[in-house]
Amino acid sequence: EVQLVEFGGGLVQPGESLIVSCSASGFTFSGSAMYWVRQAPGKGLEYVSGISTNGGSTYYTDSVKGRFTISRDNSKNTLYLQMTSLRVEDTAVYHCVKRGVPGANYYFDYWGQGTLVTVSS
Amino acid sequence: QTVVTQEPSFSVSPGGTVTLTCDLSSGSVSTSYYPSWYQQTPGQAPRSLIYNTNTRSSGVPDRFSGSILGNKAALTITGAQADDESDYYCMVYMGSGIWVFGGGTKLTVL
Repeated sequence: EVQLVEFGGGLVQPGESLIVSCSASGFTFSGSAMYWVRQAPGKGLEYVSGISTNGGSTYYTDSVKGRFTISRDNSKNTLYLQMTSLRVEDTAVYHCVKRGVPGANYYFDYWGQGTLVTVSS
Repeated sequence: QTVVTQEPSFSVSPGGTVTLTCDLSSGSVSTSYYPSWYQQTPGQAPRSLIYNTNTRSSGVPDRFSGSILGNKAALTITGAQADDESDYYCMVYMGSGIWVFGGGTKLTVL
């Protein structure tokens, strides 16, 4: 059974940094591109960032470029999102998501429950 | 910046049929955008329903179907049930590792 479990969320002040992590199991982590999708309270889903299987390619939505860094440790089956210069508008539940298998992979087939990041003074 | 637009809300009667759509500010949605659909109930993570325009994800009932209608991606629910009351999001692939979500449609079954 595929499981994606996020942790590391919490309350931080504007301008501060935070790292959220995602522990993956039930599939070959090193064979799957991984992503972060966030959802602000009461709002819709927003694509944040993605990383290729070996970490050689990374992708970011414009609003987080230069502030967020995605990375992965395939030996630990763990995905990370390092967030710096946090803003109030970054407040959201951050979901770890797995890309679909090759041949049917332009979508996200498994989602974690998410970890809440609150940016407030 | 590409904007993906969905109906903010929709209502359907139990047993009825409803079609939700997904529009692109930059032009038509085609299969080349690999539209996918997700269902989310309050407090839960999104669940994949449809991918590659019209392929149902594992375990999804066949009352859910995806298509291209005119210049939009579409999700049709045939024979709606009470537990279909959820938020529905479409997502399109913009290339270069970037996806964009629609704003979501809140579906009420009553």
